[in-house]
Amino acid sequence: KNEVEQSPQNLTAQEGEFITINCSYSVGISALHWLQQHPGGGIVSLFMLSSGKKKHGRLIATINIQEKHSSLHITASHPRDSAVYICAVRVDKLIFGTGTRLQVFP
Amino acid sequence: EPEVTQTPSHQVTQMGQEVILRCVPISNHLYFYWYRQILGQKVEFLVSFYNNEISEKSEIFDDQFSVERPDGSNFTLKIRSTKLEDSAMYFCASSPRGRLSYEQYFGPGTRLTVT
Repeated sequence: KNEVEQSPQNLTAQEGEFITINCSYSVGISALHWLQQHPGGGIVSLFMLSSGKKKHGRLIATINIQEKHSSLHITASHPRDSAVYICAVRVDKLIFGTGTRLQVFP
Repeated sequence: EPEVTQTPSHQVTQMGQEVILRCVPISNHLYFYWYRQILGQKVEFLVSFYNNEISEKSEIFDDQFSVERPDGSNFTLKIRSTKLEDSAMYFCASSPRGRLSYEQYFGPGTRLTVT
């Protein structure tokens, strides 16, 4: 069983749509990271959460520690948001989910 | 804004050869990491390094792998005798702290192709 599960695996959207990506985990964690991986492969850290909610521009991340669940929301999506979004949980090391591939069409 | 850099961006090597992947972490960071992503698969932790020694390593990080901080700026991953299955993207990351919840900053990656 994977320790970190993301859904959906693939997501397509029209520009302007509200996007939600979900992450569930089965282990006790000290923090959860949301990362963005672009087609070229580079990884950018978007958020690190240990409780509550964080917002950065059009991105919002929430976490519910009791339910072992986090969501990443993108408001007013844009084609440049197209990327793979990865959830990773921090135990003694980072454990990564398989990622959600998002494509936003104009 | 400070960033983690990695060289080379792409390395092609023959099976059995040694490779050294180089990383320059952010200058005031204390913890350093290597991760691997085989094409089409998820990112996997390889090793973390603090105070000039390995603090954690995964089962992937066997005797073929070693890490070093040869000077005050570089952090290297050496694969002694490469195998075909070592072909992957290798990411270096650094953070100002380790075991507590601090953000990690990733480099752009080195794509290693073993032929």
